[in-house]
Amino acid sequence: QSALTQPASVSGSPGQSITISCTGTSSDVGDYSSVSWYQQHPGKAPKVMIYDVNNRPSGVSDRFSGSKSDNTASLTISGLQADDEAQYYCSSSTTSSTVVFGGGTKLTVL
Amino acid sequence: QVQLVQSGAEVKKPGASVKISCKASSYAFNKNGLTWVRQAPGQGLEWMGGISADHRDPNYAPRFQGRVTMTTDTSTRTAYMELRSLRSDDTAVYYCATQWRLNYFDPWGQGSLVTVSS
Repeated sequence: QSALTQPASVSGSPGQSITISCTGTSSDVGDYSSVSWYQQHPGKAPKVMIYDVNNRPSGVSDRFSGSKSDNTASLTISGLQADDEAQYYCSSSTTSSTVVFGGGTKLTVL
Repeated sequence: QVQLVQSGAEVKKPGASVKISCKASSYAFNKNGLTWVRQAPGQGLEWMGGISADHRDPNYAPRFQGRVTMTTDTSTRTAYMELRSLRSDDTAVYYCATQWRLNYFDPWGQGSLVTVSS
């Protein structure tokens, strides 16, 4: 199972919005409403920000939102803050009942 | 909410095995699955597999099949992941996480560094 495709890096200024894409295939992203997004700060464990494409766990800011169209999922962060600077990973379940992650996107807040 | 505390760092020689533990802080452990994810130095996340909420059916990623065993001890609320025939490219931080659905992991343990070196 190949990793999902994410841009290596994105950047934005405080207060702006950014979107990170995550492209898979009809065997993963395109087949399920089971895309998750994880935030990871350096040296820390990942933290789930979005699950099931567009659901936020309790405690996650509503500045984070998710969507999906065909084989591509997206994470949008609005009102960028300095603490949003981190690595972001998407993941999807697959038709083989496994999970595949994206390669990760480094978000820089300018 | 469940908190997961993992065992400490390990240094192993190529060909050896490692067994990492992941202890849950509450009885909610028995209601959810448990997954394992690893991260090589400077690299991304890689799903290794998981075990279902009834703690009976492990589901391994194909590339680890035959080399990994995931188990749980519900009496101590502890999960274990054993990886055998270690190679240098198995050097990574290994994370456990509560698995609410196949692809929803929350929370995560703090990670266990495994270094494979001769």
